Amino acid sequence: QLVVTQSPSASASLGASVTLTCTLSSGHSSNTIVWHQQPPEKGPRFLMKVHSDGSHKKGDGIPLRFSGSSSGAERYLTISSLQSEDEADYYCQTWGTGITLFGGGTKLTVL
Amino acid sequence: EVQLVQSGAEVKKPGESLRISCKGSGYTFTTHWIAWVRQMPGKGLEWMGIIYPGDSDVRYGPSFQGQVTISADKSISTTYLQWNNLRASDTAMYYCARAPQGRDWNWYFDLWGRGTLVTVSS
Repeated sequence: QLVVTQSPSASASLGASVTLTCTLSSGHSSNTIVWHQQPPEKGPRFLMKVHSDGSHKKGDGIPLRFSGSSSGAERYLTISSLQSEDEADYYCQTWGTGITLFGGGTKLTVL
Repeated sequence: EVQLVQSGAEVKKPGESLRISCKGSGYTFTTHWIAWVRQMPGKGLEWMGIIYPGDSDVRYGPSFQGQVTISADKSISTTYLQWNNLRASDTAMYYCARAPQGRDWNWYFDLWGRGTLVTVSS
């Protein structure tokens, strides 16, 4: 069964870097995923697509300090030079034939 | 400008019907799947269903089959999410979201609407 799992929370200091993880369920380690950002009290925004080979493609206007990577069944979102506006919920999403689903989201706190 | 514009907030009573809308502009409406996504208060994103406006092919998520109806009117570039018998548990923010161009199964979302808040209360 296709499932994506995320840690509920993460935190890092202003100006530091943080890496969020999205883990694909067994048998789906080659799936592509996307990351979305949802600031407090706002709607989601598409950030980037991350492939199993680690390549990624960002959406329009997404800053350079956002990047994606992969290792096995894990897909990563790295944010460098953290800014206060990066405090948000981050969701990964994957899909298969006739289905699409989200991870539970990671709440990122910028200290 | 490429955008999805959703209808305004609604307050309804249990048992009432409701239809909310999502209008696409700035792109070819008929060649992108449009999905509806629920976000209950303080919770995460849940995929409800998706429609291909070009031929109105609709697919529903496992938890939403039979609970809502998704439709589209391609003449006005608008998709709809409808309930016939609202419950208090339907209180949530509802987002529409667009998938990339194409009729295939690439059901990830590269454009989001701003959301429609639905409150169901007696």
